[in-house]
Order: sequence, then structure tokens, then C-alpha cells
Amino acid sequence: SAVISQKPSRDICQRGTSLTIQCQVDSQVTMMFWYRQQPGQSLTLIATANQGSEATYESGFVIDKFPISRPNLTFSTLTVSNMSPEDSSIYLCSVARGSGGAFFGQGTRLTVV
Amino acid sequence: QQQVKQSPQSLIVQKGGISIINCAYENTAFDYFPWYQQFPGKGPALLIAIRPDVSEKKEGRFTISFNKSAKQFSLHIMDSQPGDSATYFCAASGGGFKTIFGAGTRLFVKA
Repeated sequence: SAVISQKPSRDICQRGTSLTIQCQVDSQVTMMFWYRQQPGQSLTLIATANQGSEATYESGFVIDKFPISRPNLTFSTLTVSNMSPEDSSIYLCSVARGSGGAFFGQGTRLTVV
Repeated sequence: QQQVKQSPQSLIVQKGGISIINCAYENTAFDYFPWYQQFPGKGPALLIAIRPDVSEKKEGRFTISFNKSAKQFSLHIMDSQPGDSATYFCAASGGGFKTIFGAGTRLFVKA
């Protein structure tokens, strides 16, 4: 199994500012995934981050708002830029399991005021 | 095509009872159907999963039933316990598609 550490675990931010969320995996993985979970809702994939290439964004998510870095095979960051209250969500980092499915980090609970 | 429809939205079950959550999918290219359990303040954790070549998979008190022709699958929690109270998500992936999650079911098991 993979151990995924996310930082910070939670934060309260002012609107208009940016927050960078870090995701560290204890093993090398090809793809890392970033999800958003709005309050009481399901998980929505934001983007897929491959090492050495630009992230692939899902419909409705853009790089200017959610820039992603993937400097190596064990680390990725997601930045939530120019935040508004609508960005208040849990942001989750995920990696694929070899046998199927995914491992998830604990998530970063973001509140924008 | 990409949706996974999950029901019910919430479920209250007596301790010792059976909890049943249903999901339906459209895309026949999906070939992996996991269920995730999420407790408040935690990330989702893989609970049990099935591939479409089998109709049922059981792990302890948790069973997945899979109906390929109807494109439906369900999670049964036998002898439900208060500790099972959580949100459950079905999901589907495969064929080069990302994992698509259902809307989630909030389960509350009354002691």
C-alpha cells in the first residue's frame, strides 16, 4: 500500500490569495491525481499529474486557477489561486493502486473567507 | 456515458441489519468497480472492489453483487454496526478512463 501525506491538513484563507497544497508519496508513482470534494459532495477529478510533463486538466478546471507541479515521482503540489469562497472544499491527492482503485491522502480542508 | 448513479443518498439501518447501496453505470468500457468508505475528516479508503468477470465478491461482512447485463452493482453490509456509519462511494474505472465516483451514500447505523 502507498502512504500519502498531504500538507496542510486544513487552512483558512482570505479571498484573493493563493494556497499551495503538497502531496508526498512514500513510493515512486507514475501518475498522481488531484480531486476536489465540495462540502457533502462526491469527488471530482481536477487533474492528472505526470512527472516531467504538464498536468492534464478535466473539463471545468484550468491551469491558471489550479497550477500543478510534479517535480519528481514522489511529490506534487496543487495551488488554488485567487481564491473565492466557492473554492472552500477538501482537496485530495491520490495515486493508483497496482491492482486497481486508488489510495487517497487525508485531504486538505480549505475554507476561504 | 461517464456517470455513475448511486442511491440512496442516505440510509439509516438498525444495528445487526443489512445495509444495501446501489449503483448503475453507462460506459461498458469500465472494468473495475470499487467501493470506498469515508469517515469525517478522512480521505476515502478502498473497501472492496470487483471486476465484471464475476457476479459476486465477499470480504467479511461486505459483499458486492454485480449485474453486467443491467450495468448495475451493489454493496451489501451484513450485520451492520455503528462503526460502519460513514459515507460510501461507488466508483468505476478502466478502459483508459479516469475513476468516476458516485454521489455517495451517508450510512447511519443505529445502536
